Amino acid sequence: EIVMTQSPATLSVSPGERATLSCRASQSVSSNLAWYQQKPGQAPRLLIYGASTRATGIPARFSGSGSGTEFTLTISSLQSEDFAVYYCQQYNNWPPRITFGPGTKVDIK
Amino acid sequence: EVQLVESGGGLVKPGGSLRLSCAASGFTFSSYSMNWVRQAPGKGLEWVSSISSSSSYIYYADSVKGRFTISRDNAKNSLYLQMNSLRAEDTAVYYCARGAEAVAPFDYWGQGTLVTVSS
Repeated sequence: EIVMTQSPATLSVSPGERATLSCRASQSVSSNLAWYQQKPGQAPRLLIYGASTRATGIPARFSGSGSGTEFTLTISSLQSEDFAVYYCQQYNNWPPRITFGPGTKVDIK
Repeated sequence: EVQLVESGGGLVKPGGSLRLSCAASGFTFSSYSMNWVRQAPGKGLEWVSSISSSSSYIYYADSVKGRFTISRDNAKNSLYLQMNSLRAEDTAVYYCARGAEAVAPFDYWGQGTLVTVSS
């Protein structure tokens, strides 16, 4: 099983600041990496797939980068609605053994 | 508008069974793979199972293999999860999610249905 780790566990950021979230895979997942945002009481929302492609309707302040085992989600200027938990997900295996990271909580500093 | 609506959750005793449903609308259901993902209270996301558009390919997480069965009815635009031999650790919110590509990523999610396994 491919194990996903995320750092930091919690990131305290002021509105308008930049946030950088990291995700690491225990083995290469190529670019088969997605990022999701989840707010309390809500379902996750797809932000980024293919490591760097924004999903439909996702603002340009969200960007993803990386390949292989190291990935980054950057939020260029945090808005109030961006405070949430962010999960990375790999979908590289075949047959699928999809795994998620433990999440990074972005809260208000 | 894509909509996924789960139902069938509730309280069940250990060893019991439950069948979850997910009603899909707003897209051509028969063209997409579908998935179940769960989230234990206060915890992260765990992939449970995937089914291809025509039900030809089915996959399970090791934690549920042999106890859960995923299925779909394309004529009814519905996805199902039959859960047997339930354990306390199966307690979670269960989400259905549409697969954007062969299996993942998951581009649309339902609101979830809570399954509680407790005596």
